[in-house]
Amino acid sequence: GAGVSQTPSNKVTEKGKYVELRCDPISGHTALYWYRQSLGQGPEFLIYFQGTGAADDSGLPNDRFFAVRPEGSVSTLKIQRTERGDSAVYLCASSLAGRLVGELFFGEGSRLTVL
Amino acid sequence: LAKTTQPISMDSYEGQEVNITCSHNNIATNDYITWYQQFPSQGPRFIIQGYKTKVTNEVASLFIPADRKSSTLSLPRVSLSDTAVYYCLVGLSRSGSARQLTFGSGTQLTVLP
Repeated sequence: GAGVSQTPSNKVTEKGKYVELRCDPISGHTALYWYRQSLGQGPEFLIYFQGTGAADDSGLPNDRFFAVRPEGSVSTLKIQRTERGDSAVYLCASSLAGRLVGELFFGEGSRLTVL
Repeated sequence: LAKTTQPISMDSYEGQEVNITCSHNNIATNDYITWYQQFPSQGPRFIIQGYKTKVTNEVASLFIPADRKSSTLSLPRVSLSDTAVYYCLVGLSRSGSARQLTFGSGTQLTVLP
C-alpha cells in the first residue's frame, strides 16, 4: 500500500480482555517496529522485526504482550488480560532493510482504551 | 543509550525562522542524529538526519557542531501548519539497532498568526 496501515484505529475494551492490533507495513519493507505512546509522551519502543523474526523484543513491558509477523509482512500485536495502564496509542512503523534506521515510516496508530 | 534534552515548548510567529536545539552529551561515535515531527492523532514523520556539520533538505536544516554534543533543527519561515511536536533522537544507523532509537518527550512548537 501507499503507507503503513493500522487497524483498528480505535479499540475500547474492558479490563481483562484480549486484544489484537494489526499492522500492514509498506510493501517491500522488511523491518517493522511497534511503539507505544501515552498522552504527552514520546513513543516508547516495544519490539522490532527483521523479516519474520523478532530481532529485539526488549521493549515489551511484560509477558502479556506478544507480537508476531509470520510471513514477514503483516504483524499483529497481542495483549492478554488487558489492564487500564495499557491504554495508549500503539504505533507501527516500517523501513527498508539496509536503509538508515532513522527513516521509519509510521502509521497513524491504534488507540486502545481499557475501561 | 544516548539521552537527549530538548525544550518542552516553543512559540513562534508565522514567517519566522525557528531553531530547536537538542543536547546529547553522551552521543556515541556511530550515532546519527534524527529529527521527527508529529501532529496530533498521527504517527511521527521523519524530517532530517545527519552525522556532522550541516544537512539541508527541502523542509529543514540540521546543524551539528564539531563535538556533536548538540544539534539544532532549523525551520525556515514557519507557517501555522508547522505547529507540532518535534523529537530529537540519537542512535545507531545500521539496521537491527532500532532499540537505540529512543524518543524523548519532544518540543511542542506552536506557530502563532
